[in-house]
Amino acid sequence: DAGVIQSPRHEVTEMGQEVTLRCKPISGHNSLFWYRQTMMRGLELLIYFNNNVPIDDSGMPEDRFSAKMPNASFSTLKIQPSEPRDSAVYFCASSNLWGTRSGNSPLHFGNGTRLTVT
Amino acid sequence: TQLLEQSPQFLSIQEGENLTVYCNSSSVFSSLQWYRQEPGEGPVLLVTVVTGGEVKKLKRLTFQFGDARKDSSLHITAAQPGDTGLYLCAGGGSARQLTFGSGTQLTVLP
Repeated sequence: DAGVIQSPRHEVTEMGQEVTLRCKPISGHNSLFWYRQTMMRGLELLIYFNNNVPIDDSGMPEDRFSAKMPNASFSTLKIQPSEPRDSAVYFCASSNLWGTRSGNSPLHFGNGTRLTVT
Repeated sequence: TQLLEQSPQFLSIQEGENLTVYCNSSSVFSSLQWYRQEPGEGPVLLVTVVTGGEVKKLKRLTFQFGDARKDSSLHITAAQPGDTGLYLCAGGGSARQLTFGSGTQLTVLP
């Protein structure tokens, strides 16, 4: 099991540019989550999918952010246009959340993408 | 919105000392998970507690879920440098998504 795979590990871009972050969840997991982590705000949930369908995107900060999950093995988080305040570490996580009675399944995180917008 | 507050925010101790970190909320959670995150990596699950009053032990780590399922604590006995990391608690709610606390950054000095 390779775990959750994110790419790129680091992204440095200029303000106004489009940024696309990629995630491959663990095979067989039915839920996928995008989080953002900063020193000031900690770990924030942006959006999550169940069986490739977006369930809750209320954490997406602005219309500049969008996420897709075209199939069970791939998801993207896009920021267009990017701004300096988007600088953070973005994590993807997967789980079998809907496979349990009470949703206590653990989240399996990737190693994150560190985004710097200058 | 369910909020989880962790304390202390930062903790630096000597190897061999004991410590406790706390995770508190005014909301009731169906479950409580603890994660540890090391630099450059994502959080990794340590334990899940689901029953009020539950105590789980993982080697030198002891986790407790409050009777009212609103708070939790993590106690480490005889801390080692390998315990260094960011400890995050996360509460499970009815929406089947986790709410993460702000974290406790632990540094264990050799």
